Amino acid sequence: GAVVSQHPSRVICKSGTSVKIECRSLDFQATTMFWYRQFPKQSLMLMATSNEGSKATYEQGVEKDKFLINHASLTLSTLTVTSAHPEDSSFYICSASAGDVELFFGEGSRLTVL
Amino acid sequence: GQNIDQPTEMTATEGAIVQINCTYQTSGFNGLFWYQQHAGEAPTFLSYNVLDGLEEKGRFSSFLSRSKGYSYLLLKELQMKDSASYLCAARDSNYQLIWGAGTKLIIKP
Repeated sequence: GAVVSQHPSRVICKSGTSVKIECRSLDFQATTMFWYRQFPKQSLMLMATSNEGSKATYEQGVEKDKFLINHASLTLSTLTVTSAHPEDSSFYICSASAGDVELFFGEGSRLTVL
Repeated sequence: GQNIDQPTEMTATEGAIVQINCTYQTSGFNGLFWYQQHAGEAPTFLSYNVLDGLEEKGRFSSFLSRSKGYSYLLLKELQMKDSASYLCAARDSNYQLIWGAGTKLIIKP
């Protein structure tokens, strides 16, 4: 089946630094990828929808200047958390669709900001 | 507004059957999804229903009633590895997924 790879799986950084998370569709072309954030014991929260070759669509309340999304190719989308703070510590998950139904999720990236 | 309701936590015994319910209210409807998520991992796809009725896939079955805005996930012959959170998500008229908070299923020997 379709595979989505996300890297890194875990990252620890100092407050004020920036962190980049990559999401790749390995065996299919994903015109649309989704970025989610998940806090402990809570459901997925959609942050933004990333479309190849165009600007991402951010959900209400998500700072586009803080969470930079780039979808440069049909197989790669990146999320950069700029000037990270401890409250940005969370589990970030990307997903992509190979068709109309199934969403394939990356393995997730656990970000810890010290 | 749009909303998904599912129980926060359920407990069941190994080898038994458990039913996880989900009710939804969305602007339009384009399908109901169930995902399994183990702690610290990303969700994995379990099922998709867009028409009324029961879809069976091995030990897992999913049911949908569009008129009632209701779905359930049925897990049979429970195994310890089924301990996880189960997420219900409904797709609205804009094809956006509305996620439930998830049901944590605890399996006891």
